[in-house]
Amino acid sequence: GNSVTQMEGPVTLSEEAFLTINCTYTATGYPSIFWYVQYPGEGLQLLLKATKADDKGSNKGFEATYRKETTSFHLEKGSVQVSDSAVYFCALIGENTGFQKLVFGTGTRLLVSP
Amino acid sequence: EPEVTQTPSHQVTQMGQEVILRCVPISNHLYFYWYRQILGQKVEFLVSFYNNEISEKSEIFDDQFSVERPDGSNFTLKIRSTKLEDSAMYFCASTGLAGRNEQFFGPGTRLTVL
Repeated sequence: GNSVTQMEGPVTLSEEAFLTINCTYTATGYPSIFWYVQYPGEGLQLLLKATKADDKGSNKGFEATYRKETTSFHLEKGSVQVSDSAVYFCALIGENTGFQKLVFGTGTRLLVSP
Repeated sequence: EPEVTQTPSHQVTQMGQEVILRCVPISNHLYFYWYRQILGQKVEFLVSFYNNEISEKSEIFDDQFSVERPDGSNFTLKIRSTKLEDSAMYFCASTGLAGRNEQFFGPGTRLTVL
């Protein structure tokens, strides 16, 4: 079945550091891939998404490129802020999934210090 | 901005008791979901609901679980006889579109079974 693997956390960075959170997936065909973020005390919010190979999703300074050859969708940001501290979830919806069931990774906690 | 709401935010119950978790999806959405996350583990799909019936359910969603849309606004998850292993964060989500699109999540209900 479909699956998502994320790097273990927590990831601890100083403000303005470069961020990478790795995400790889296993799925047949061309799934849609998402990054969701969960700020403390809140629900999951869509951060960015990509629906086909070589698509780049971007939002709030975060970027991720859908790499079919490496089955990856790594999240990057050039300069993190304290307000980026949250849990980040990589997820996918399979190509032949009729009712959009999301398959999640375990989440990666990001802690940014001033 | 419309949002998905969930109540209660935290529910504590005794093993064997019934619990009902409540969700109010975004008002014009048609597809509804429950997911759960056991502490430290992945967010897992439980069930999807469309047109007043279950469209897909996972193997976790056994006879102890049921979902209902009792009126035009609420979407509930009932656990008939809770077990210790049901302790988790339960997320409700909704979307208005078919296909592989963004799901909007609520803040979650933390269920603790003693």
